[in-house]
This record gives sequence, C-alpha cells and structure tokens, in this order.
Amino acid sequence: DAKTTQPPSMDCAEGRAANLPCNHSTISGNEYVYWYRQIHSQGPQYIIHGLKNNETNEMASLIITEDRKSSTLILPHATLRDTAVYYCIVRGGVSGTYKYIFGTGTRLKVLA
Amino acid sequence: DVKVTQSSRYLVKRTGEKVFLECVQDMDHENMFWYRQDPGLGLRLIYFSYDVKMKEKGDIPEGYSVSREKKERFSLILESASTNQTSMYLCASSPREEPYGYTFGSGTRLTVV
Repeated sequence: DAKTTQPPSMDCAEGRAANLPCNHSTISGNEYVYWYRQIHSQGPQYIIHGLKNNETNEMASLIITEDRKSSTLILPHATLRDTAVYYCIVRGGVSGTYKYIFGTGTRLKVLA
Repeated sequence: DVKVTQSSRYLVKRTGEKVFLECVQDMDHENMFWYRQDPGLGLRLIYFSYDVKMKEKGDIPEGYSVSREKKERFSLILESASTNQTSMYLCASSPREEPYGYTFGSGTRLTVV
C-alpha cells in the first residue's frame, strides 16, 4: 500500500473551511484514497473515499489532483466538533488485500 | 444504526493473566480487524480475519492470538498479559469488496498492572 504524508497539525477558525492536505506520490492506479477522523478517546470514523474524481458527501469534499499524487479533504464550515485527528490512507482495489495502514495523521484544532 | 460493539470500555488486568477482548458487529461484514493505538505510534494492526475461522497476522501479532468462530464475533486474546500491552484496543469491520470504509468500535482501554 502507498505511503501518505500529512502535516502533523493545523488550526482553523470556526465557520471557515478547513483544507487538510495529503501527499501520496507513490499511489498506484487501482488504489483508493480514504479519509478517517478520530475524535479524542473514540474509534476512528470513516469520512469519504475517492479514486479519480472529486467526491462530496454530507460530511466533507475530497479533491484529488489529476495525477493522483495528492488530495485535499475539505470541511466547508468547520465547527468545534470537527476538532480531531484526520487520517489519509491509500489502499488497493484488489480484493484480498484487506488491511489499512494508518499514519499519525493531522491534528486539526478548530478555534472559536 | 450499524454497530461494532466492544465488550468493555475500560479493563484492568494483572501481569500474567489471560485476557479476552470481544468484538461483535451486526453488519454481516466478512472482514474484521484488531488494532492497538499508542501515543506517538498511531494505529497498528495486530490481526485480521477475512472469513469465519480464517485469520492473518498484522504488523504486531507477538503476544496475541485471535478467534473467529462466528461471522459476527472476533476475539483478541492476550495469552499472558504484560505491562507493555497496556494500550487502547480498537476493533473494526468491513465488507469484503472494495471500495469500503471500516466501521470501528469505541475501543477498550486496557491497563496491565
């Protein structure tokens, strides 16, 4: 599975968009990009995933560059409850390779 | 609401005890996973299972074993608990086919004294 690189921490003002970058320069053609977040003392929560196209759901938007070597998770209107550690993961689309490899993520702090 | 349920939120055990951590999912998922999480080290995969009675080692299986006798239940066993196994343990499940997201339980914080 491809390795990802994320900044260790970021701050964002409440109500503003939070843009969390992820570098995955060794991603291969059949690997998806997944984002999770972990609020203190809870299990990680799935947010969104994508392959090539940009994706949006009720929680966030995912922008993947054309060369797929990086992506950005966007929380359009960050709230205090979005303070968490955000993990970017890439993994293969080949059935049978099941495991995720979690890095240390980005600690997002939303400021009032 | 779909769920992954871990039997205990907090657990304190003595060194040398045999410890069972239980995880149950109600989503009919084929895959189940056990991770541990330690400060500065992130989440590390201990074992996973892609079917009943099937198991595979993750990155740090030493000192642990697992059991999956039924599809919905995946147990993590510490054969002889040691202080370096004090950690947060997280169970997760997922469908077999890509793309899919994991659903995690709330975690068990185990302290070995």
